[in-house]
Amino acid sequence: QVQLQQWGAGLLKPSETLSITCAVYEGSFSGYQWSWIRQPPGKGLEWIGEINQSGSTNSNPSLQSRVTIQVDRSKNQFSLHLRSVTAADTAVYYCARGRGNIKRGKYYVWFDSWGQGTLVTVSS
Amino acid sequence: EVVMAQSPATLSVSPGERATLSCRASQNININLAWYQQKPGQVPRLLIYGASFRATGVPDRFTGSGSGTDFTLTISSLQSEDIAVYYCQQYDNRPPYTFGQGTKLDI
Repeated sequence: QVQLQQWGAGLLKPSETLSITCAVYEGSFSGYQWSWIRQPPGKGLEWIGEINQSGSTNSNPSLQSRVTIQVDRSKNQFSLHLRSVTAADTAVYYCARGRGNIKRGKYYVWFDSWGQGTLVTVSS
Repeated sequence: EVVMAQSPATLSVSPGERATLSCRASQNININLAWYQQKPGQVPRLLIYGASFRATGVPDRFTGSGSGTDFTLTISSLQSEDIAVYYCQQYDNRPPYTFGQGTKLDI
């Protein structure tokens, strides 16, 4: 049973960089897409971006200019960095495993395992 | 970007009754749709993928159906433990993967 454990700073000031790391335990790191998803307080889910074992990334166009997602294959970990945060970035951030299939080079994934979430508050 | 619209925003159902939740995509997403359950203070949990396939451990009272642009999650006999917000997610056209705004299920 795969487990995702995440950690990162919970309180940031505007303009700082959000950094969260997710470690994958008890499961294969390869063959999946690894995503970051966030949820502002009392609101719905927003996909931020993904990475796979080879380091190939995709991100939400709405955040793309500020997002970097990295992978450390030696530790089965991946990380999110979101630059120049504002109060609008206040949210619970989740890492998640994307499981699915590939057809004609395109991934089709749903999220079958999630980290416990990290509440990040941006306030001056 | 594919926009996902869920209805109703809130649904009140009595225990033992059937609950029907709807999700509509702004364009054809075939059967590339998942449903998640999020109980208060908890992490989202995968219920359904491929529009109709139950995830491991999901009770058979949860049924997903639909294709193209219109999808339904049916809970056949509501239990008190089913109180949650339910989200649909499309994975046909990405990036980005997109979620509906959620349906809050009350008893």
